[in-house]
Amino acid sequence: DAGVIQSPRHEVTEMGQEVTLRCKPISGHNSLFWYRQTMMRGLELLIYFNNNVPIDDSGMPEDRFSAKMPNASFSTLKIQPSEPRDSAVYFCASSSDRGPGDTQYFGPGTRLTVL
Amino acid sequence: GDSVTQMEGPVTLSEEAFLTINCTYTATGYPSLFWYVQYPGEGLQLLLKATKADDKGSNKGFEATYRKETTSFHLEKGSVQVSDSAVYFCALNQAGTALIFGKGTTLSVSS
Repeated sequence: DAGVIQSPRHEVTEMGQEVTLRCKPISGHNSLFWYRQTMMRGLELLIYFNNNVPIDDSGMPEDRFSAKMPNASFSTLKIQPSEPRDSAVYFCASSSDRGPGDTQYFGPGTRLTVL
Repeated sequence: GDSVTQMEGPVTLSEEAFLTINCTYTATGYPSLFWYVQYPGEGLQLLLKATKADDKGSNKGFEATYRKETTSFHLEKGSVQVSDSAVYFCALNQAGTALIFGKGTTLSVSS
């Protein structure tokens, strides 16, 4: 299995631009998570989906952030407009949701820099 | 809400030294507990996990025991190697939900 795939690996953009991050979960997994990692706040959940349905989006910072999961093999996280404080590493993770202790498998992350 | 507290780093050790990284948690019910490791420039990898009280997770010489009475899940390794240098995250979740992470502990091992 290829694992969780994220693209791009690095993104540098200017303030005000739209940014789209992409994730392909492991085949057969039905839960997908978006996390953000910063030095100040550590690792925090942005949103997670189960069977393509958003279950908890309480971590999405504000209306500038949106996430979609149109099918079981693809999800996007969009930031519009981007701001310098959005600079972080964004991780996607997936799991099979079979019960307690299910392992979440992480992608390599997208390092976003907003100038 | 649920939370995880782990010891501040960095932890600097010589090769073959004993490692302990403390982790305590606050949670309702019976969460599952995890240790993840992050090598430079990479995503997080599961190191070990435990799903109920008194369970011991182990992998690659690392161990941690789920202690409900002390709400702890301390990570230990008897003899660290240079290749163990990384950031270690303690985490918990309730079944099927997102992980709640500690702030991470940086381990640096020198030869």
